[in-house]
Amino acid sequence: EVQLLESGGGLVQPGGSLRLSCAASGFTFGNYAMTWVRQAPGKGLEWVSSISGSGGATYYADSVKGRFTLSRDNSKNTLSLQMNSLRVEDTAVYHCARGYCDSSSCYTGYFDNWGQGTLVTVSS
Amino acid sequence: IQMTQSPSFVSASVGDRVTITCRASQDISSWLAWFQQKPGKTPNLLIYGASSLQNGVPSRFSGSGSGTDFTLTISSLQPEDFATYYCQQANNFPLTFGQGTKVEIK
Repeated sequence: EVQLLESGGGLVQPGGSLRLSCAASGFTFGNYAMTWVRQAPGKGLEWVSSISGSGGATYYADSVKGRFTLSRDNSKNTLSLQMNSLRVEDTAVYHCARGYCDSSSCYTGYFDNWGQGTLVTVSS
Repeated sequence: IQMTQSPSFVSASVGDRVTITCRASQDISSWLAWFQQKPGKTPNLLIYGASSLQNGVPSRFSGSGSGTDFTLTISSLQPEDFATYYCQQANNFPLTFGQGTKVEIK
């Protein structure tokens, strides 16, 4: 069974930092792209960042570029999101999600399994 | 790429046919996904590649379209289908979602 468990969220002041982690199990982690998607309370979905299976390619939303850094450790089945210079508008539940693979291809841009998320609150 | 869904809200009855539209601000070929999200739950991938049903998704769900205009259709709405639906383009980064369409019970 695929499991994704996020951790590291919490309350932080504007300008502060947090490091989110996503522990993966139930699949061969390094074979899949991984993504973070966030959802502010009562709002819609917002893509944050994605990383290829090898970790060689990373992609960021314009709203977080230069402030967030996505990385992965395939030996530990762990995805990490370093968030610096946090802003009030970064407040959201952050979900990690696995890239989708069908019978013929694996896709960075589609995601099937999602973790339950970790809440990040940026407030003074 | 901006994704615009319509309508934002649908009031429908069990058994109704429901259609949700998603428009991309530029050509995304068939690089489109649809998600269903129920309150307090994580999103569930229904359709990818604009029309390919993910494993385990009921056949009453279907997707169509290419280029800039896409449609999600629920052929006969069931009680468990009342949820919010999002489209998402996967043509290029940054990936973007539509604002969501809430399907509620009439």
